[in-house]
Amino acid sequence: SQQGEEDPQALSIQEGENATMNCSYKTSINNLQWYRQNSGRGLVHLILIRSNEREKHSGRLRVTLDTSKKSSSLLITASRAADTASYFCATDANQAGTALIFGKGTTLSVSS
Amino acid sequence: DVKVTQSSRYLVKRTGEKVFLECVQDMDHENMFWYRQDPGLGLRLIYFSYDVKMKEKGDIPEGYSVSREKKERFSLILESASTNQTSMYLCASSYRGIRTEAFFGQGTRLTVV
Repeated sequence: SQQGEEDPQALSIQEGENATMNCSYKTSINNLQWYRQNSGRGLVHLILIRSNEREKHSGRLRVTLDTSKKSSSLLITASRAADTASYFCATDANQAGTALIFGKGTTLSVSS
Repeated sequence: DVKVTQSSRYLVKRTGEKVFLECVQDMDHENMFWYRQDPGLGLRLIYFSYDVKMKEKGDIPEGYSVSREKKERFSLILESASTNQTSMYLCASSYRGIRTEAFFGQGTRLTVV
């Protein structure tokens, strides 16, 4: 069963606007990661946040983690057309911490 | 740069055929994974391996098997391909540990006719 569930399923915005995607998960985690997938390609790692961290930044990306609510959000500021892609959260759900479990993803469309 | 290479970008096979999907990584990663991706369902874990000759079932192992004879190579085998196995297959690898990112191959789009 999938651990993470992203919300919304699809998001359309204009260039320059901010995009926020949310992820909820079910069980305790070691860390939570966000990945990006361009159409028909493999996934690329964006950012990892540990379970004892609350917020992390990387360039135009800001990730928050609320372990009490079992949720995370990914904020992309000042979106560009090149940010158009699908975004997935992933958690390591099993005890060994070796298998990443992905959600269904949010499809972001940024128009110029 | 880490490289995860899947043997085929596109593959068309007939129902009942035995299909091999190969994945090779060049970073000496202990962990390797096979996922399938379908519209509206996201990525679902088929199998993963944390060491040579070791394997663990994921969420949807039925109809699949895997082989890891060498650390750098992880093969996914469809014993008897069926049309419901038409999908995008993604291989990934990572270092062992609880705070490591996964590196993905470019994906194999398999069509079973």
